[in-house]
Amino acid sequence: EPEVTQTPSHQVTQMGQEVILRCVPISNHLYFYWYRQILGQKVEFLVSFYNNEISEKSEIFDDQFSVERPDGSNFTLKIRSTKLEDSAMYFCASSGPGINEQFFGPGTRLTVL
Amino acid sequence: AQSVTQPDIHITVSEGASLELRCNYSYGATPYLFWYVQSPGQGLQLLLKYFSGDTLVQGIKGFEAEFKRSQSSFNLRKPSVHWSDAAEYFCAVATDTGRRALTFGSGTRLQVQP
Repeated sequence: EPEVTQTPSHQVTQMGQEVILRCVPISNHLYFYWYRQILGQKVEFLVSFYNNEISEKSEIFDDQFSVERPDGSNFTLKIRSTKLEDSAMYFCASSGPGINEQFFGPGTRLTVL
Repeated sequence: AQSVTQPDIHITVSEGASLELRCNYSYGATPYLFWYVQSPGQGLQLLLKYFSGDTLVQGIKGFEAEFKRSQSSFNLRKPSVHWSDAAEYFCAVATDTGRRALTFGSGTRLQVQP
């Protein structure tokens, strides 16, 4: 069964450093998403991406964040200058055309020290 | 903007007992509704979804949920809980306006006693 994969599973970084989180969505999906879950809190939407551009973003997704689909398979989330409060589990998801049913990856746990 | 409320933060049931997890949503039109499960250290797995039609939907692992428009609810049920069902359960909603972001509830942690 096809699945969304994410690398790395755990990333530790120093405050102020740039990080790139990687995702490989399900191959025939067209819509891609990033969500985050701060420890003990709800899952929050960050951004959605379709047709090589951002289709929607939340208030959390400020200028420190960017997304890219550098090739036909990867989807990345970059945080330019990490802050302590960026520590969270980051989930990638993808969905096909039509009605919204999103498939989630296992997540990347980001720890900012 | 839509919102989702899961009133129960933590529920404990005995193995073999029935289960109902509550979910209420706030949205003006008919939403798309989902239940996801998250086991410790794992990602989110879709249990079931409601888009339209029959208001009682069946999902994986023996779960079902019923959409009640009059109560703005989408409660998750299972007739007999197994120890492996211990996890966190999230209700989520998406709108039909073309906005594809999911809005999640705060989750209910299920503990299963032997």
